[in-house]
Amino acid sequence: DAEITQSPRHKITETGRQVTLACHQTWNHNNMFWYRQDLGHGLRLIHYSYGVQDTNKGEVSDGYSVSRSNTEDLPLTLESAASSQTSVYFCASSESQPNTEAFFGQGTRLTVV
Amino acid sequence: AQKVTQAQTEISVVEKEDVTLDCVYETRDTTYYLFWYKQPPSGELVFLIRRNSFDEQNEISGRYSWNFQKSTSSFNFTITASQVVDSAVYFCALSDTGRRALTFGSGTRLQVQP
Repeated sequence: DAEITQSPRHKITETGRQVTLACHQTWNHNNMFWYRQDLGHGLRLIHYSYGVQDTNKGEVSDGYSVSRSNTEDLPLTLESAASSQTSVYFCASSESQPNTEAFFGQGTRLTVV
Repeated sequence: AQKVTQAQTEISVVEKEDVTLDCVYETRDTTYYLFWYKQPPSGELVFLIRRNSFDEQNEISGRYSWNFQKSTSSFNFTITASQVVDSAVYFCALSDTGRRALTFGSGTRLQVQP
């Protein structure tokens, strides 16, 4: 069965370190997204990609970067982790059309100490 | 710009009660798409329904029903005869032809007491 997986599921890191969260999907979807979930804010868009070599900033992109070198993967990098980036991160993918639902990974809980 | 408002932060009901979760949206696009997702205590996000802006028919699926009203920019979700297993956070979301990424509301936490 096709799926979308995130790794690691849990991570603790120190302030100032670079961290990369992995996202891999086997749906062959063109669209991929990264969201963060914080209490009271729902899910907020960090970065998204509509295809290979395409990346775009979302509403809360400061301090994050992504790259899309193939269809399956969209890793999210925190250049210099800050305590404000402690959150639950969700990766999602969807077909190209805007009327299709997004499929979400299980989430990564990141704690920056 | 898109915006989704879920004014109810938390709702608590007793099992078998009916409950309605409100969702109000804003978009400048005439073609848009509305979604509901469920996030149970285990944390994953589960897709429930999609509605296109040009299809105003309400939908019923078992104990779940959705009321889409363009005139009031609302897409409300009703659970009939609620059960403990319905306890979760429910998110309403929006996309349009200009932005395929979902814009989410802040969510409504539903607690169903036995």
